[in-house]
Amino acid sequence: SYELTQPPSVSVSPGQTASVTCSADTLGDKYVSWFQQRPGQSPVLVIYQDNRRPSGIPDRFSGSNSGNTATLTISGAQAADEADYYCQVWDNSAGVFGGGTKLTVL
Amino acid sequence: QVQLVQSGAEVKKPGASVKVSCKASNYIFTNYGITWVRQAPGQGLEWMGWISTSNDDTKYAQKVQGRVTMTTDTSTSTAYMELRSLTSDDTAVYYCARLLCSGGSCYGRSNYFDNCGQGTLVTVSS
Repeated sequence: SYELTQPPSVSVSPGQTASVTCSADTLGDKYVSWFQQRPGQSPVLVIYQDNRRPSGIPDRFSGSNSGNTATLTISGAQAADEADYYCQVWDNSAGVFGGGTKLTVL
Repeated sequence: QVQLVQSGAEVKKPGASVKVSCKASNYIFTNYGITWVRQAPGQGLEWMGWISTSNDDTKYAQKVQGRVTMTTDTSTSTAYMELRSLTSDDTAVYYCARLLCSGGSCYGRSNYFDNCGQGTLVTVSS
């Protein structure tokens, strides 16, 4: 089965840029979505189709995908960005999530 | 704004079944599919399956295949997820989400889902 690998944790200082990666074989051939989940809340879509932002998502959030790695970039990180982030793709029409990355802003 | 409102928390015994509902509003229900995701306590997200609201096509995760059934009632814009033969491993928060099926096909690689419901906690305990 297809597996997505994310680092368990990433730390960033307020105002700096955070990068969360998601890796898998030939990941660049698939579209990647990214979800933000704050504690006790439902997941929120922040990036879809590699680099598109849903309405209402700040342009501080951006995404890229090439080769075997997709990256979610958060520019000018804020305390409100502290959350778990999950990448997701479709593999033969079945959904696959990465294990999640806890982003700490400190 | 798009809303997905799920049914309330459930406590079930091992071997029982549970049926979670997800009522959609403020969009055309049959223009989007519905996908289901669950999250065990302290764990990550796990995809369970999707259903096309236009033709009832379904795709289930191998892990729950044979135990799960996803249905919809277009007259009430409500989706349902039934999970049978519950074990303690099924204890989780279950989320529904709206699934954008590109070109009307939920099999597409460019599909994505947004607008999750508030979640339904299902606890399986003897």
